[in-house]
Amino acid sequence: AQSVTQLDSQVPVFEEAPVELRCNYSSSVSVYLFWYVQYPNQGLQLLLKYLSGSTLVKGINGFEAEFNKSQTSFHLRKPSVHISDTAEYFCAVSPDSSYKLIFGSGTRLLVRP
Amino acid sequence: GAVVSQHPSRVICKSGTSVKIECRSLDFQATTMFWYRQFPKQSLMLMATSNEGSKATYEQGVEKDKFLINHASLTLSTLTVTSAHPEDSSFYICSARDTSGVGEQYFGPGTRLTVT
Repeated sequence: AQSVTQLDSQVPVFEEAPVELRCNYSSSVSVYLFWYVQYPNQGLQLLLKYLSGSTLVKGINGFEAEFNKSQTSFHLRKPSVHISDTAEYFCAVSPDSSYKLIFGSGTRLLVRP
Repeated sequence: GAVVSQHPSRVICKSGTSVKIECRSLDFQATTMFWYRQFPKQSLMLMATSNEGSKATYEQGVEKDKFLINHASLTLSTLTVTSAHPEDSSFYICSARDTSGVGEQYFGPGTRLTVT
């Protein structure tokens, strides 16, 4: 069975500083990997996804993530955050043969001035 | 971009009553829609997969007689919470899978259900 671990429940960071949100997954099969952002009382918005090909994936709002198969990780990064990046971030996996999404527990990014 | 709407965005109902939540894909067809439940400050838990024209597939531990799902068209799925109780209070989010391309899921804005 697949699972997703987001070790950091909250990450505080100052504005314009870099940030990395960690995501590790476990799966016995190939997976698709996703990062979603959720603003308060809203649904989820896709930041980026890895399906195949280049392991470095660039998404919206200046975010990027790198797929590392040997470490089963898909960490999200941004070189310089803004106050508006304050939100909940979810990592998710989807097995090849299914379109179900299995979510991690989420990481709250708190950007301070 | 693809848009998924949910209605209502917020609903308060009395214990014992039923509530219907609609999920619509506005500019694409979705043969598959998903229903999630999210408790405060927690992740999304998949409740069921809704397939157009067939019965929904429920995840383990989800009562199918309590959470009725109907996917009558390629753009509409409904979730009915029957005989609601306070413990059913939650944020319910749907997503719709675009049947074209790579089948990406697009999420609705969610419905806040409060059962009093």
